[in-house]
Amino acid sequence: KAGVTQTPRYLIKTRGQQVTLSCSPISGHRSVSWYQQTPGQGLQFLFEYFSETQRNKGNFPGRFSGRQFSNSRSEMNVSTLELGDSALYLCASSPGTANTGNTIYFGEGSWLTVV
Amino acid sequence: EDQVTQSPEALRLQEGESSSLNCSYTVSGLRGLFWYRQDPGKGPEFLFTLYSAGEEKEKERLKATLTKKESFLHITAPKPEDSATYLCAVPSGNTGKLIFGQGTTLQVKP
Repeated sequence: KAGVTQTPRYLIKTRGQQVTLSCSPISGHRSVSWYQQTPGQGLQFLFEYFSETQRNKGNFPGRFSGRQFSNSRSEMNVSTLELGDSALYLCASSPGTANTGNTIYFGEGSWLTVV
Repeated sequence: EDQVTQSPEALRLQEGESSSLNCSYTVSGLRGLFWYRQDPGKGPEFLFTLYSAGEEKEKERLKATLTKKESFLHITAPKPEDSATYLCAVPSGNTGKLIFGQGTTLQVKP
């Protein structure tokens, strides 16, 4: 069974640009969440999508957005990139929403460097 | 406020030297406690989910236990390949987001 797939794995962007990251969840999983991981802040929740609807959002500025498609695949977008956005962006999937205790599986992440 | 605290931050062991990692949590209505292993540059790899106090789960040299306030990850006779950062997390209330601890970085020397 294929795991959570994230693309691209590595990317370098310039300040002010925008970036789109993609995530394909485990087959049959309908919930997709996104997390940002940095050395200083650890893993921070960005948002969760279930059946194409954003269910929850973390404390990030509006420059961070996402969406989920009918096949459960998800994308997140960061506009007007800042140096502080450099991080590992992790996508996670689960059969149902996280607050029901479903196990959550993570992808390998997308490493974003903003220069 | 929901919170997860892990200790110690870093742990160095000799191969074969058993030890335990701690995860203390404060959450209203526990809906599971997750343990993950993360290798440098990779995403967290799922290890265990525990749902109720007294529950235990094992996988190879790892055993996770849960009480009403904390969870332990016991590592028996570790090997160098067990070196990684171990993360614990709980779902926060009804939001669906996972609250992570800062992790314990384990180094096992041969």
